Amino acid sequence: SQTIHQWPATLVQPVGSPLSLECTVEGTSNPNLYWYRQAAGRGLQLLFYSVGIGQISSEVPQNLSASRPQDRQFILSSKKLLLSDSGFYLCAGKWVDGRGYNEQFFGPGTRLTVL
Amino acid sequence: SQQGEEDPQALSIQEGENATMNCSYKTSINNLQWYRQNSGRGLVHLILIRSNEREKHSGRLRVTLDTSKKSSSLLITASRAADTASYFCATDHSGSARQLTFGSGTQLTVLP
Repeated sequence: SQTIHQWPATLVQPVGSPLSLECTVEGTSNPNLYWYRQAAGRGLQLLFYSVGIGQISSEVPQNLSASRPQDRQFILSSKKLLLSDSGFYLCAGKWVDGRGYNEQFFGPGTRLTVL
Repeated sequence: SQQGEEDPQALSIQEGENATMNCSYKTSINNLQWYRQNSGRGLVHLILIRSNEREKHSGRLRVTLDTSKKSSSLLITASRAADTASYFCATDHSGSARQLTFGSGTQLTVLP
């Protein structure tokens, strides 16, 4: 079965420090991959999506960037974190399963606190 | 912008009662998906209903879709305390990889 892994689970970083969050997918190939951010008690905001290696689309202008160096690896980065970057970051993948359903599955998330 | 919008924002019921959550959207969809999120955790996929389907069941979950009204409902029957979570609907649109759009969710609390 397919699984999405994210690490770290929690992260506390000072303002101005760099960031690297990693997401990997297991059990499928050529997935669409997504980074979302969720503020406390709120819905999900799509940050980036990728349909293949090296292909990144940004949904909102921000202090973050994303990269997809391998088919099943998606990285969220920042050179200098801002206080407003705090939140819950979720990686998701979408692929067509054996039933032909195009469902989207999520990783466990990373809780980022910028101090 | 967020297209799927859930209603109510918060719902509190007693164990054993049924819980109904609604979702409205604005433009045509390929399918609509419901997710559950326990506090501080990732989202768990519950059920997908395609645009040509009207009702779907999975265990204690029943989802309906009315494309003429651009709305969907999620019914959880015989609720349990463990059903306490946030529930999100997400709409899937054609044309691009950026297909799922999430609402802000319904916070369901089931009291024992």
